[in-house]
Amino acid sequence: EIVLTQSPATLSLSPGERAILSCRASQSVSSYLAWYQQRPGQAPRLLIYDTSNRATGIPARFSGSRSGTDFTLIISSLEPEDFAVYYCQQRSNWPPLHTFGQGTKLEIK
Amino acid sequence: EVQLVESGGGLVKPGGSLRLSCAASGFIFDTFTIHWVRQAPGKGLEWVSSISSSSSHMFYADSVKGRFTVSRDNAKNSLYLQMDSLRAEDTAVYYCARMVVRGRSDVFDIWGQGTTVTVSA
Repeated sequence: EIVLTQSPATLSLSPGERAILSCRASQSVSSYLAWYQQRPGQAPRLLIYDTSNRATGIPARFSGSRSGTDFTLIISSLEPEDFAVYYCQQRSNWPPLHTFGQGTKLEIK
Repeated sequence: EVQLVESGGGLVKPGGSLRLSCAASGFIFDTFTIHWVRQAPGKGLEWVSSISSSSSHMFYADSVKGRFTVSRDNAKNSLYLQMDSLRAEDTAVYYCARMVVRGRSDVFDIWGQGTTVTVSA
């Protein structure tokens, strides 16, 4: 079973700053990792797929990268609407079971 | 408009049962694998179950295997989750979500608004 560990649990930043969120996989995985944003009271929204590809309508300030089993979501310059909780997600090969990280809360400093 | 709408949540006693529904509209329902994902109060997302487009494959998280059963009725554009032997730790908002392939990733692109299940005596 793949375990995804996100850090930090909470990130306190100001609008305009750069946010770096991490997601570490417990074992060697493919690049098929996705990131979601969840605002309070809302369902999650797909941001990034295949580690670094933005979903439709996602602003260019969101980017993703990978180094080995470490995945990173970067928000280059925070907008007020970016303060939310972010989750990474991946699917195992077979059986196709899905796993989410525990989330990183991005809060206004 | 492409959407998923869950219903059927409520308060149930430990050991009880509940059946959730998810109504789809705005897309060709019988061509998509649909999932259930839940979120306990103040907690993160937990994948629960999936069912393929033709119901040929169903998968479950270990935490619900043997207690929950996923099904669908493509003629009614509907997905169901039968939850039996409910426990306090099943208390959560339950989302249905459409899975698509983006690049080489299986991702959830459309989510419902969620329905709340509370298991308490």
